[in-house]
Amino acid sequence: EVQLVESGGGLVQPGRSLRLSCTASGFTFGDYAMSWVRQAPGKGLEWVGFIRSKAYGGTTEYAASVKGRFTISRDDSKSIAYLQMNSLKTEDTAVYYCTRETVGSSSWYSDYWGQGTLVTVSS
Amino acid sequence: QSALTQPASVSGSPGQSITISCTGTSSDVGSYNLVSWYQQHPGKAPKLMIYEGSKRPSGVSNRFSGSKSGNTASLTISGLQAEDEADYYCCSYAGSSTVRVFGGGTKLTVL
Repeated sequence: EVQLVESGGGLVQPGRSLRLSCTASGFTFGDYAMSWVRQAPGKGLEWVGFIRSKAYGGTTEYAASVKGRFTISRDDSKSIAYLQMNSLKTEDTAVYYCTRETVGSSSWYSDYWGQGTLVTVSS
Repeated sequence: QSALTQPASVSGSPGQSITISCTGTSSDVGSYNLVSWYQQHPGKAPKLMIYEGSKRPSGVSNRFSGSKSGNTASLTISGLQAEDEADYYCCSYAGSSTVRVFGGGTKLTVL
């Protein structure tokens, strides 16, 4: 059974950093690209970014709203994807979901989602 | 403002059919056969219902179907059931720069 479990969320002040983790199980993690999607309270879904599998260079792409501040990485030996969030803003407050892509090369659609972790940016 | 446009709400009675539209542009919906639809119940993670415009993942009821015409994709739910009441989001691949865009979501109410 595919499982994705996010952790690392919490309350953080504007301008500070936070790192989220996504621990995967039930599939060969290294074969898949992984994405992060967020949802502000009471709002819709927003794609944040993704990381390709190592077979496709392990490179990343980001939404314009987080580019330069957020970094996605992966540790295939531990089956974990990370979202490093720097220079956080109040508008980054959201539930952050880790999702599995269906291919290793791109972010087309997410077939499995974690339960989400809440990040609150407030002073 | 979301990149893809969906109606804020739709409603229907049990047993009826409803359709949710998702309008994009020639840069996303119109260019790729990579529209997906997600169902989200309150407090839960989204669930993939349709991918590549019209395909259903294993386990998703055949009451759910997807289609596309030009820059507009649609999700149709037939034989509405109370458990279908949820928020529905469309999403499209939008090329190597933008990558993915979501619609603003549609709240389905089963009367």
